[in-house]
Amino acid sequence: ILNVEQSPQSLHVQEGDSTNFTCSFPSSNFYALHWYRWETAKSPEALFVMTLNGDEKKKGRISATLNTKEGYSYLYIKGSQPEDSATYLCALENAGNMLTFGGGTRLMVKP
Amino acid sequence: DVKVTQSSRYLVKRTGEKVFLECVQDMDHENMFWYRQDPGLGLRLIYFSYDVKMKEKGDIPEGYSVSREKKERFSLILESASTNQTSMYLCASRRTGNSYEQYFGPGTRLTVT
Repeated sequence: ILNVEQSPQSLHVQEGDSTNFTCSFPSSNFYALHWYRWETAKSPEALFVMTLNGDEKKKGRISATLNTKEGYSYLYIKGSQPEDSATYLCALENAGNMLTFGGGTRLMVKP
Repeated sequence: DVKVTQSSRYLVKRTGEKVFLECVQDMDHENMFWYRQDPGLGLRLIYFSYDVKMKEKGDIPEGYSVSREKKERFSLILESASTNQTSMYLCASRRTGNSYEQYFGPGTRLTVT
């Protein structure tokens, strides 16, 4: 079983703060790295799928970077809003297209 | 609007009962998955299916079975529910191929008493 780790496990920030969290994974057998956002009482939704070393993707105030050689990805949220409160999951895709998920980072943004 | 639906949002069952969790997707996806999510453990794969009538064990298949008689429907079965199967169960579907995202259902929170 691949070891995909996310840190921190949970995070409390004030509205307007920028924040970031980490997903680390074994750099061998890498195919793609997925980020999902899971809001309470909703389905997890895909944010990004990243495949290339050095990839940087952006969606509004959220962006992600990828380093496949050292085995990590960062997710950044600029100017956090209460609606950003969610659990953020990363998942490593292997060559068989199977996903291994990390434990998630639970973000709570206080107004 | 793509959609994965699950038959129940909340379910309470007694130990020893047989439990069926149903999942339906309307995207004509070949692949379907059942996960469970427990605090601090992330999503763990129970079973998956890459085609009708095909099934493969995931990381934690013990105590579960699955059925995929139609492409759009993937059922998770707990033959004899136990308290350690109290969890959040998520269904997902995905196209075959590289780097496609998974689409998830809203989850079923199962409590076994």
